[in-house]
Amino acid sequence: AQSVTQLGSHVSVSEGALVLLRCNYSSSVPPYLFWYVQYPNQGLQLLLKYTSAATLVKGINGFEAEFKKSETSFHLTKPSAHMSDAAEYFCAVRGLDSGYSTLTFGKGTMLLVSP
Amino acid sequence: DAMVIQNPRYQVTQFGKPVTLSCSQTLNHNVMYWYQQKSSQAPKLLFHYYDKDFNNEADTPDNFQSRRPNTSFCFLDIRSPGLGDAAMYLCATSRDYGEETQYFGPGTRLLVL
Repeated sequence: AQSVTQLGSHVSVSEGALVLLRCNYSSSVPPYLFWYVQYPNQGLQLLLKYTSAATLVKGINGFEAEFKKSETSFHLTKPSAHMSDAAEYFCAVRGLDSGYSTLTFGKGTMLLVSP
Repeated sequence: DAMVIQNPRYQVTQFGKPVTLSCSQTLNHNVMYWYQQKSSQAPKLLFHYYDKDFNNEADTPDNFQSRRPNTSFCFLDIRSPGLGDAAMYLCATSRDYGEETQYFGPGTRLLVL
């Protein structure tokens, strides 16, 4: 069955530092992969997605992620953190196991940004 | 220009009293989803519709039901809410499955007294 593992329930960075949020997936064939962000008491907003085109995907707000098939990873990065990036981030996979119909979410990583 | 609208944003109900949450969309998407999200957890899929074709996740409790009377609207009915059903309920839509993006509403936070 498809699954997603996000390493670290909380990640703390200083403003201006590199952001790295880790995501590893399990799927029988290369899946579609998504990163969503959720601010408190709000719904989820898509940051970026991998759909088997370019392996380096650029998203909104300066975020990007690289699909690495050999490592089954799709880590999210941003060169310089901003206070407004503080939120919860979810990696999600949509694979053949679900007939490409449903998303399986990771448990989420809370990003904390300090001044 | 709201795309996925959920009403109400906050809902308080009593233990065992039926409650209905609503979702509407202006995107004309084929697929609509209902998720349950408890505090500090990932969203958990309850149901999804492709047009009027209903799909129930295997572990969705019988206490939860859903209706989609037309393309724009979808409802989540909780027949007899228990304390464990207190959560954020998220509605989402997508044009299709596969690589298509899911667009989420702001959610309805349900409190059960």
